[in-house]
Amino acid sequence: DIQMTQSPASLSASLGETVTIECRASEDIYNGLAWYQQKPGKSPQLLIYNANSLHTGVPSRFSGSGSGTQYSLKINSLQSEDVASYFCQQYYDYPWTFGGGTKLELK
Amino acid sequence: QVRLKESGPRLVQPSQTLSVTCTVSGFSVTSYHVSWVRQPPGKGLEWVGAIWKGGSTDYNSALKSRLSISRDTSKNQVFLKMNSLQTDDTGTYYCAKHRGSRYYFDYWGQGVMVTVSS
Repeated sequence: DIQMTQSPASLSASLGETVTIECRASEDIYNGLAWYQQKPGKSPQLLIYNANSLHTGVPSRFSGSGSGTQYSLKINSLQSEDVASYFCQQYYDYPWTFGGGTKLELK
Repeated sequence: QVRLKESGPRLVQPSQTLSVTCTVSGFSVTSYHVSWVRQPPGKGLEWVGAIWKGGSTDYNSALKSRLSISRDTSKNQVFLKMNSLQTDDTGTYYCAKHRGSRYYFDYWGQGVMVTVSS
């Protein structure tokens, strides 16, 4: 199985700050990567697919980048509604696997 | 409006079988793939298995021997059955719609929290 390692596991940032979350795959996943946001007590919501494509309705302050085994999610100008956990998912190969998550809090 | 809603028991005894139903609206299960994803309390997500729009299935190899996913197209429902439950099967079980024919998920149900305990 492809292992997805996310870092950091938790993150504290101030309003207006830029935040970056990393996801490393155990092998090349050829941009087969999605990012999800999960607010407390809610189900995950799709943010990014194909590593860098913004899902419909997602604010443009979210962006994804990367290639090969290294990917990142960037949030520009952090807003209070961005407090959530974030997960990456590889869908290049079975079984599709998720990163362990990054919990983002406000400083 | 696309909606998915899981229903099932909140408490299951060890070694018993879990049965969860996903009722969808706003799309047909014959037009889009549907997956099951689970999440232990306070932990990450695990893909459980999928039923393709054509009706075939794929399962996470780690769970395959205990799993069955099926559907009722007339009711637009997808079913998850997992047998021989253990305490580490405790968690929230989500059904999720695939975006087009892709292998990621653009709509999720609210989830059903299942506790495996005697």
